[in-house]
Amino acid sequence: DQQVKQNSPSLSVQEGRISILNCDYTNSMFDYFLWYKKYPAEGPTFLISISSIKDKNEDGRFTVFLNKSAKHLSLHIVPSQPGDSAVYFCAARAAGGTSYGKLTFGQGTILTVHP
Amino acid sequence: SAVISQKPSRDICQRGTSLTIQCQVDSQVTMMFWYRQQPGQSLTLIATANQGSEATYESGFVIDKFPISRPNLTFSTLTVSNMSPEDSSIYLCSGRTGQGQYGYTFGSGTRLTVV
Repeated sequence: DQQVKQNSPSLSVQEGRISILNCDYTNSMFDYFLWYKKYPAEGPTFLISISSIKDKNEDGRFTVFLNKSAKHLSLHIVPSQPGDSAVYFCAARAAGGTSYGKLTFGQGTILTVHP
Repeated sequence: SAVISQKPSRDICQRGTSLTIQCQVDSQVTMMFWYRQQPGQSLTLIATANQGSEATYESGFVIDKFPISRPNLTFSTLTVSNMSPEDSSIYLCSGRTGQGQYGYTFGSGTRLTVV
């Protein structure tokens, strides 16, 4: 049972345009949602996060939107740059119980930004 | 944020042998996690490494196959035992440095190939 899903395996965008990466979840017991970026041969690096009580968080070129009723979040990158080309993972943090603090990851979306 | 040094970065091993992966954190972390990323797949949590006690394993993972040690708050090891080609994956450790959504740092990963 995949609790966090990224249904688009890949996304191709022109430099300067907006990249929108999507993520859906099924479990309401998450308190934070995080986005990670991963280059080959490196570990994931934290990008941006959002609390479950917020609907938007912005950090420079990166904005994350959360729609709790739809159990959907998205990461917007604008303007996109070739250096943004990487695999992007959506992750959700368990709010409590025996799973407290554990992250559940989506499958990842490969973003390619063309010059 | 904390920096995690993970080694080895890659290895090619014979089936039936074991490999121990090490993660060293440059500061004390409250929680450490071990993940597996099979080709084209998401990061799957193997276990939570607990300092001074046995690790807590996720469904589908057992201590005999993936023994974990955590002798102190800055170090942990994962052993992949009696390896088969199905164990070929990237293995990642992660540390949670404290409260807040920013506190998850990852090692650079170990790419394991079992032949």
